[in-house]
Amino acid sequence: GENVEQHPSTLSVQEGDSAVIKCTYSDSASNYFPWYKQELGKRPQLIIDIRSNVGEKKDQRIAVTLNKTAKHFSLHITETQPEDSAVYFCAASKTQGGSEKLVFGKGTKLTVNP
Amino acid sequence: DSGVTQTPKHLITATGQRVTLRCSPRSGDLSVYWYQQSLDQGLQFLIQYYNGEERAKGNILERFSAQQFPDLHSELNLSSLELGDSALYFCASSRRGGRGVTDTQYFGPGTRLTVL
Repeated sequence: GENVEQHPSTLSVQEGDSAVIKCTYSDSASNYFPWYKQELGKRPQLIIDIRSNVGEKKDQRIAVTLNKTAKHFSLHITETQPEDSAVYFCAASKTQGGSEKLVFGKGTKLTVNP
Repeated sequence: DSGVTQTPKHLITATGQRVTLRCSPRSGDLSVYWYQQSLDQGLQFLIQYYNGEERAKGNILERFSAQQFPDLHSELNLSSLELGDSALYFCASSRRGGRGVTDTQYFGPGTRLTVL
């Protein structure tokens, strides 16, 4: 089955710096790659997603890139702010048998220091 | 607020007991997914229902079962509870589920289960 590896597990940056989180997936049939932000004790919240027919997507300070050949996708956060501090999860999904279950990476704890 | 609701927020029970977790999807969503989040295993897919029918199973234990009712709310039943079942249980909903285009999954606030 699908396996998603996420790095780094922890990331500490200074306010205003950029942060990059990387994920690799194993199943070449995966075609949907969301990123979720989870604050302590809260629900995972979708922050951006990308589908396999697109190489890059941007939403204000957040961008995601996808390299289907390398089976690799990344989250880029620019001009980080303290409120960006949270755990970020990448996930991969494909439509199989009418299901689109998400397979998650282990998460990256991002700390933005003021 | 995602529009997905879960009850209860917290549940404390003893080993060997049985509990039921409830999820109401966003209005108009037909698919419900259940995920388990523990410190050592991260977010793991358990089971999916679409319009009342089971669609997919993940690493769900035989002690766990779920169903989706005609009003589309779903319940996750956990029985013969063990200490290791302590975790956050999330449900998520999506519009269609497996109809060719992957829909965004919106997560509920979760139920924190503590087994003592």
